[in-house]
Amino acid sequence: DQQVKQNSPSLSVQEGRISILNCDYTNSMFDYFLWYKKYPAEGPTFLISISSIKDKNEDGRFTVFLNKSAKHLSLHIVPSQPGDSAVYFCAASVNTGTASKLTFGTGTRLQVTL
Amino acid sequence: DGGITQSPKYLFRKEGQNVTLSCEQNLNHDAMYWYRQDPGQGLRLIYYSQIVNDFQKGDIAEGYSVSREKKESFPLTVTSAQKNPTAFYLCASSPLRVGGANVLTFGAGSRLTVL
Repeated sequence: DQQVKQNSPSLSVQEGRISILNCDYTNSMFDYFLWYKKYPAEGPTFLISISSIKDKNEDGRFTVFLNKSAKHLSLHIVPSQPGDSAVYFCAASVNTGTASKLTFGTGTRLQVTL
Repeated sequence: DGGITQSPKYLFRKEGQNVTLSCEQNLNHDAMYWYRQDPGQGLRLIYYSQIVNDFQKGDIAEGYSVSREKKESFPLTVTSAQKNPTAFYLCASSPLRVGGANVLTFGAGSRLTVL
């Protein structure tokens, strides 16, 4: 049972425009959501997170929106740059104590074209 | 520079052989994790450890074993019992969570191919 879903395997956006990556989840016990960026043959790197009690978090060009009633979150990148081309993973955590067991989505490959 | 070192980066194994992937961190993190990535799939948790000499199974632990003898090291052994071991393996670490989002730091990964 996929608890975190990224239904768009790929997305192509022109440089300078907005990229919107979507993520849906089913477990209402998730308390934090995170976005990671991954280049081929490298480990994922952390981008931004949001608490389940918030509806927006912004960091530079990256903004994450959370719609708890719809169990949906999205990552907005404005403006998109060619260096943003990568696979983006949505992840969610449940408070199980001191370690974070992150559940990842399947990823969305973003291509930013010139 | 603090970080996570995984070795080897590429590894080939014959069927029936065990293989051990190394993971070392100098971030002074208490928790360490092993994930597996397959094409078209998200990262799936194999094992994790919150403290030395203790570890817990993740979602897909069958055919794998780990040890945590030192805080800095969390090696993963892929045994011959693992039915489909060809994959990209990622090691991660994090501080123990005391509130807030607990961000995992990942290594660069090890690609295992079974011939």
